[in-house]
Amino acid sequence: EPEVTQTPSHQVTQMGQEVILRCVPISNHLYFYWYRQILGQKVEFLVSFYNNEISEKSEIFDDQFSVERPDGSNFTLKIRSTKLEDSAMYFCATTGAGTGELFFGEGSRLTVL
Amino acid sequence: DAKTTQPPSMDCAEGRAANLPCNHSTISGNEYVYWYRQIHSQGPQYIIHGLKNNETNEMASLIITEDRKSSTLILPHATLRDTAVYYCIVRALGSYGKLTFGQGTILTVHP
Repeated sequence: EPEVTQTPSHQVTQMGQEVILRCVPISNHLYFYWYRQILGQKVEFLVSFYNNEISEKSEIFDDQFSVERPDGSNFTLKIRSTKLEDSAMYFCATTGAGTGELFFGEGSRLTVL
Repeated sequence: DAKTTQPPSMDCAEGRAANLPCNHSTISGNEYVYWYRQIHSQGPQYIIHGLKNNETNEMASLIITEDRKSSTLILPHATLRDTAVYYCIVRALGSYGKLTFGQGTILTVHP
């Protein structure tokens, strides 16, 4: 069964450092999303991406965050200068045309010290 | 997307059916009911979706009331591995906008 792959599975970084989280979407999917989940809290939407541009973003997705699909395969989330409160699980999700069912990756755990 | 209401937690004995309710009284005509679950801290997993007819797949059954204001997800023979948070989400088919997760129902399957 096709799946969404995320790397790294866990990253530890110092506050103020840049972090890039990567996602390999399911082949032929065109809509991409990033979500995050702070420990013990609900899954929160960050951003959606289609046709090489942001479709929608939440208030969490401020200027410290950016997304891109640099090589037509990977979909990345960059956090320019991490803060302690960025510590969370980050989930990538993708979908193709049709049912609107989202396929989620297993997540990247980010720990900011 | 319409708002949904789910009980915060439920218990179920292993091997028995787990029936998870969801209220979505403000659902509109073009909105579908989707169910996802999240096992521990894994990525959410799609289970099933439906518009107005009952649906069944290899994971679960979805029963939607005739007025479409509520639905029930049924796991026919729950196992310990079904212990998870279950999310009921209402969304227009063909909508590629954000999926909004609520608090969901924590289902605990016990031996």
